[in-house]
Amino acid sequence: GQQLNQSPQSMFIQEGEDVSMNCTSSSIFNTWLWYKQDPGEGPVLLIALYKAGELTSNGRLTAQFGITRKDSFLNISASIPSDVGIYFCAGQPSSLNRDDKIIFGKGTRLHILP
Amino acid sequence: EAQVTQNPRYLITVTGKKLTVTCSQNMNHEYMSWYRQDPGLGLRQIYYSMNVEVTDKGDVPEGYKVSRKEKRNFPLILESPSPNQTSLYFCASSLSPLAGGSDTQYFGPGTRLTVL
Repeated sequence: GQQLNQSPQSMFIQEGEDVSMNCTSSSIFNTWLWYKQDPGEGPVLLIALYKAGELTSNGRLTAQFGITRKDSFLNISASIPSDVGIYFCAGQPSSLNRDDKIIFGKGTRLHILP
Repeated sequence: EAQVTQNPRYLITVTGKKLTVTCSQNMNHEYMSWYRQDPGLGLRQIYYSMNVEVTDKGDVPEGYKVSRKEKRNFPLILESPSPNQTSLYFCASSLSPLAGGSDTQYFGPGTRLTVL
C-alpha cells in the first residue's frame, strides 16, 4: 500500500537551533499536512499544503509542498523547549479514489537539549 | 469549546472481554475516524464514517467494529480484544472528508488500551 517515508526518525538538538525534517513518497500526493503531537495528547494540525511548490508559514514553522508532489519539508527556526514532541507528515494520495484518505508518516520525535 | 472527547483515557483489560471506547464531538462534524498509534508505525486508520449510518473500513479494521447512530458519537467496539490490540487509539473528526484547510481534522486526547 501507500507509504510515506519520514526522516529523521528522531532528532536531538540544542535550544535555538533550526530544525529540518522531510517526508517522501514514491507516488504523487494532492495534499500534504504536518501535525504535531505533544506528550499525552492527540495530533494537532500545524500546516496544510495544497499546491506543488507552495510554501506556507505558521510562526516559526515553514513547510513546503515539493515540486514533484512526492515530498514535503518542515522547518522550525530558533527552536524552543515547547517544540518538543512528535511531528507527523500526512498526505492525500492522488492515486486513490477516496477524497478522505490520509496516510501518515511514522513521525519525527524532536528532543531539545537545554 | 470545540473538542473531541474519548473515554476512557486508560484501560487495562483481559483477552476476550468485550469493550467499547466512546468518542464524541461537539462541532457537528460529518466525518469521523478512528486511528491506532503504535511505536514505529505512526497512525493507521481503523474505520471511518462519512455521516450517520455510513461507516467503512480503513487500513487495519480486523478485530474492530464501529457504529454511527448519531452525528456526534462514533464508538469503537472490540468484541473480543487480543494482546495485539494493545495500542494508543485516537478518534478524529472534521467537517468534511477533505484533508486539511478549513476542514481541519481534530483529534481526541487518545485512549491507551492494554490487553493482557
